[in-house]
Amino acid sequence: DVKVTQSSRYLVKRTGEKVFLECVQDMDHENMFWYRQDPGLGLRLIYFSYDVKMKEKGDIPEGYSVSREKKERFSLILESASTNQTSMYLCASGGTMNTEAFFGQGTRLTVV
Amino acid sequence: AQKITQTQPGMFVQEKEAVTLDCTYDTSDPSYGLFWYKQPSSGEMIFLIYQGSYDQQNATEGRYSLNFQKARKSANLVISASQLGDSAMYFCAMREGPNTGGFKTIFGAGTRLFVKA
Repeated sequence: DVKVTQSSRYLVKRTGEKVFLECVQDMDHENMFWYRQDPGLGLRLIYFSYDVKMKEKGDIPEGYSVSREKKERFSLILESASTNQTSMYLCASGGTMNTEAFFGQGTRLTVV
Repeated sequence: AQKITQTQPGMFVQEKEAVTLDCTYDTSDPSYGLFWYKQPSSGEMIFLIYQGSYDQQNATEGRYSLNFQKARKSANLVISASQLGDSAMYFCAMREGPNTGGFKTIFGAGTRLFVKA
């Protein structure tokens, strides 16, 4: 059974804190993605990675960075959390052009 | 620039009827893939159907079919014989690439479907 696991389901952090969201997949996928989901805006791509240490900016990378030191793990980093980063964060991994992405259960982050 | 548009924030359908959820896209890449996902209130993302840009026939998966009109850049999802369990958020997505090495995948804003008994 394929699995994408996000380290936390719910997180509450203070403004200015450095926040790490972790994602692990067990499908040996090269491609991994981080999205944030907000009502009325759908899923917006923050960053994606196509190999270890390789990353590409998505549509809304400002205020975020990522790390991929191992193939199975893709981390999203909020360098200095702000209240406008309160959102649901979804990690996904996917193999190739014509295969679907598999999603984690999501992390609901609240920045206070 | 790559873009996905879902113009229906909400849709109602009577149980057992068919419903079409609209999706238009914009890309300059001749090679791309189109996906539909369902997100029930539990929050999980469930893959429904895939259409490749070079596929000649419309994709079908059970009660789901994708009405692919390449010249119009539309990829509408058709759900036949709606069921109460179809009430959920539906997202259209597009994957391009590889350009720089990876497959960038973007999503639309979603359509919330309500199935009435």
